Amino acid sequence: DVKVTQSSRYLVKRTGEKVFLECVQDMDHENMFWYRQDPGLGLRLIYFSYDVKMKEKGDIPEGYSVSREKKERFSLILESASTNQTSMYLCASRVLQGGRWGYTFGSGTRLTVV
Amino acid sequence: QKEVEQNSGPLSVPEGAIASLNCTYSDRGSQSFFWYRQYSGKSPELIMSIYSNGDKEDGRFTAQLNKASQYVSLLIRDSQPSDSATYLCAPGGDASKIIFGSGTRLSIRP
Repeated sequence: DVKVTQSSRYLVKRTGEKVFLECVQDMDHENMFWYRQDPGLGLRLIYFSYDVKMKEKGDIPEGYSVSREKKERFSLILESASTNQTSMYLCASRVLQGGRWGYTFGSGTRLTVV
Repeated sequence: QKEVEQNSGPLSVPEGAIASLNCTYSDRGSQSFFWYRQYSGKSPELIMSIYSNGDKEDGRFTAQLNKASQYVSLLIRDSQPSDSATYLCAPGGDASKIIFGSGTRLSIRP
């Protein structure tokens, strides 16, 4: 089975800090995604990446950036954390199998900005 | 109009009954449709995918797709307490991202 690993389950950071959320997948998937999930708003796409060094903005990229230097690792960066970025962050990877896309999610990182 | 609409619930269903979850979407170009289940505090897990009009059955789960009406549903037969979760509908493009609905919270009462 594909495994998507997020480095931290819970994080507490201070306003203004630079925050790195790491995601690693072990199946050589090209496509990786970062979502945030908030009550009543569902999953919203922040950024995604089709391949190494390639990135595309999702629906809510403001205040975030990403890095994809190696295929297995997709990092989400909060340049200057703010309290409205307190959320659950979910990483996912995707592969085409038998002509169909399959998504696998990491276990999530619950970030609190104080 | 939101891209994906789901009733947020909670939807309360007695144990053993059929739970019916509904979803409408706005993108007529969507070709793939996914249902994810998310337990509280956990990440979503894929439970059903459907690509053609009609019904697709997998155990106690049946996904129904009507592309003309831009409507997809999930039926859960013989509902169990372990089915209590939030169910996310996700119509997906082929080469791009998928968009998730905000989810329907399902509660199975004993």
